[in-house]
Amino acid sequence: AQSVTQPDIHITVSEGASLELRCNYSYGATPYLFWYVQSPGQGLQLLLKYFSGDTLVQGIKGFEAEFKRSQSSFNLRKPSVHWSDAAEYFCAVGAVYGGATNKLIFGTGTLLAVQP
Amino acid sequence: SQTIHQWPATLVQPVGSPLSLECTVEGTSNPNLYWYRQAAGRGLQLLFYSVGIGQISSEVPQNLSASRPQDRQFILSSKKLLLSDSGFYLCAWSLSGAIYEQYFGPGTRLTVT
Repeated sequence: AQSVTQPDIHITVSEGASLELRCNYSYGATPYLFWYVQSPGQGLQLLLKYFSGDTLVQGIKGFEAEFKRSQSSFNLRKPSVHWSDAAEYFCAVGAVYGGATNKLIFGTGTLLAVQP
Repeated sequence: SQTIHQWPATLVQPVGSPLSLECTVEGTSNPNLYWYRQAAGRGLQLLFYSVGIGQISSEVPQNLSASRPQDRQFILSSKKLLLSDSGFYLCAWSLSGAIYEQYFGPGTRLTVT
């Protein structure tokens, strides 16, 4: 069965420091992978997606993620964190069911705190 | 461009009362529609999804139901709320036919008292 693991529940980084959020997936075929961000009390916003091709994917807000098939990972990175990046981050893998329906399987999220 | 709306934004309801949450999408046709629940400190749980009018699939047995009376309208309902129904409810849409990213609405915060 498809699954997504985000091993870090909570991470704290200093403003200006680099960031890496971990995501591991389990999926039998070529995965479709996503990162979303959620600010408190709001919906989820898509940061980036990987479907195929270049394994390094650029997203919005200066984020990038690298797909590593050998490690079943899709880690999210940012070279310099801003205070406004404090939020919860969700990794997800897409799966097709019944031909016409696609579902996203979400990880449990990583809560990012940014210290001044 | 496409937009997704949810209302109400917040709701406080007593145990045993009915529930109706509405989600509408603009700017696209025949989208896949989804209802998720996010309990405090937990991830997203897919409740229902729909690939077309009147077509609803349930992921988790519960006292909630969903309906899709129009192409771009998705409604989450309950006849009698339980305390455990409290949470943050998110509606999402995606293009149909393959795996696409999902776009989420702003959510509804439901507190059952």
